[in-house]
Amino acid sequence: GAGVSQTPSNKVTEKGKYVELRCDPISGHTALYWYRQSLGQGPEFLIYFQGTGAADDSGLPNDRFFAVRPEGSVSTLKIQRTERGDSAVYLCASSLGLGSSYEQYFGPGTRLTVT
Amino acid sequence: GQQVMQIPQYQHVQEGEDFTTYCNSSTTLSNIQWYKQRPGGHPVFLIQLVKSGEVKKQKRLTFQFGEAKKNSSLHITATQTTDVGTYFCRIPDHGSSNTGKLIFGQGTTLQVKP
Repeated sequence: GAGVSQTPSNKVTEKGKYVELRCDPISGHTALYWYRQSLGQGPEFLIYFQGTGAADDSGLPNDRFFAVRPEGSVSTLKIQRTERGDSAVYLCASSLGLGSSYEQYFGPGTRLTVT
Repeated sequence: GQQVMQIPQYQHVQEGEDFTTYCNSSTTLSNIQWYKQRPGGHPVFLIQLVKSGEVKKQKRLTFQFGEAKKNSSLHITATQTTDVGTYFCRIPDHGSSNTGKLIFGQGTTLQVKP
């Protein structure tokens, strides 16, 4: 079956612009996660959803970052007034249920470059 | 929040040599998972460990969970070029299983010289 998909695969934007990154999880997966990965680092937790609600957004760096999952499936990560430091690969993952005992399935990521 | 220390950060080995990476937590964990990320790819699940002292094997890979459930290791016997990549451990924040806040180690990047 289809895995987790993310679009776009690459995004180049100018400093100060607004960007949206989309994640389409595996059908039937109730939990969805966003991570940010910089070169040479592990995935850094940003936010996770159980269904439609953001259960924990404590990893979002500041109020320029926001994520939604209005129908409990597709999620969008929104970044306002982008800064060069936001450049990274943004990974989305989904799992069948919520909790650390569930395997996470990752998408291919969106590489964001802020110039 | 929870932190996990993963060492070493990099390891270069000759093909056929063994490799080990370690993850250490300051708190007792309900479980730990291991993932592999190939260069240019995304993390892919390898295994989960739950029980104290648990040892699991997948062909040349051996995974171990410490008796105190605070540390874990991944050992590869007789590395091959297909083992190249970065290996991450993943733990739940605050050690609890009932959270979606899941923390990854910094990773160990394995290079294998043919």
